Formats: sequence, C-alpha cells, structure tokens
Amino acid sequence: QKEVEQNSGPLSVPEGAIASLNCTYSDRGSQSFFWYRQYSGKSPELIMFIYSNGDKEDGRFTAQLNKASQYVSLLIRDSQPSDSATYLCAVNPQGAQKLVFGQGTRLTINP
Amino acid sequence: GAVVSQHPSWVICKSGTSVKIECRSLDFQATTMFWYRQFPKQSLMLMATSNEGSKATYEQGVEKDKFLINHASLTLSTLTVTSAHPEDSSFYICSATPGQLGGNTIYFGEGSWLTVV
Repeated sequence: QKEVEQNSGPLSVPEGAIASLNCTYSDRGSQSFFWYRQYSGKSPELIMFIYSNGDKEDGRFTAQLNKASQYVSLLIRDSQPSDSATYLCAVNPQGAQKLVFGQGTRLTINP
Repeated sequence: GAVVSQHPSWVICKSGTSVKIECRSLDFQATTMFWYRQFPKQSLMLMATSNEGSKATYEQGVEKDKFLINHASLTLSTLTVTSAHPEDSSFYICSATPGQLGGNTIYFGEGSWLTVV
C-alpha cells in the first residue's frame, strides 16, 4: 500500500461546478496535511494545509480532514479553467521531518 | 508567502560532467531543506533532507556520492549531480521550511530542468 494515494484522473469538471479531489494515507499518526497545485512544467504551489479534523475554508477552496478514516479531500467551488492542473496531496508522517506526496490528480475544467 | 529561489531554472550539460543547482530561502531562515526529483507525468520523489551544518539524509535508493548536497547556511543549499548521465535528466525541485513541519509548511523553489546530452 502506498503511503499517500490519489486517483490519478483525469478528472473533468464543467466550469462553475464543484471539483472534489480525494486522498487517503496509511500512517494513522500523521499530523499535518497539505494540498499543492502544480501546473505543467512548473513547481508545486501551496493551496492550503490542514491539521485538525473537519473543514477548513480559504476562498473557493475547502480542505476536509477525517483522521479516523485517514482521508483528506479538497473541494474547489465555482471551478475556473485556470484551476486546470495537477493537484498533489502531501502528508507529514508521524515523527518525520518530511512530506510524502501522492501521485497527484490531473484536473481539467471544461469551459 | 515565503519565497524560495532556485538557480538555474534550466541547464544542459554533457554526459560525464557535473552540475550544481542552488536553492535559497529569501525571506526566512530554513532549518531544513528538501530536494525532490520529478520525471514527466510522475509525482515528486524525495531525494534527501538536509539540515544546516549537518550531513544530508538520503532516501532509500538515492546515491549520496552521485547527488552531493551541501547545506552550508540557513538560507542556502546546493545539489551537485556528479558525472551526470542522460537518465539523470529530470526536473529537480528544492523546498524549505522554517521549522518543524507540525507548525510550519514547506515552500517550493521554481525548479530546475536538467538535460544531460
């Protein structure tokens, strides 16, 4: 089992709809969780991070964390074509000073 | 957000030569820096973690004698790919954090495209 798993996609969503991206992790002791966006040929950029169970909202983005189910998700409301990118889920395993990345989900927003 | 700068953005080198990539944290002191490699359409693979003034910790399968990492100051880390070969061609990305990950996040540099011919 991979440490961090994401559906590689591609995930296609119509413009204006909600895009839902999912991620599961294997280390139950993981404490912090991150979502990055990566455009083709570019470096990842941080969207948001979450530490506590529940929802965390930042503009059009909402991160959801359920530690009991070892599941973290990212919702993008009012999707725009500019949101088309690969979204990377990253987890900080317990006791480790590093991030482990999932393989990323390729998201396409269709005008 | 915090700024991490990487240089060069792209480099082409001949097979058998060495190439150095620099990573600088511009507006914070980076206690820890990370080096990743990413092949096309694949995820980021952590190569090594470096702390200022100490030896880097390499991930399993990464040759420490081939990928030399130096973290000489709290704002600068370098990755030297020694005796580069075409299979080393990849996108190399550094990142940095100002403290323990539990309370801080990681910021990425712009990445460096390496092509070995």
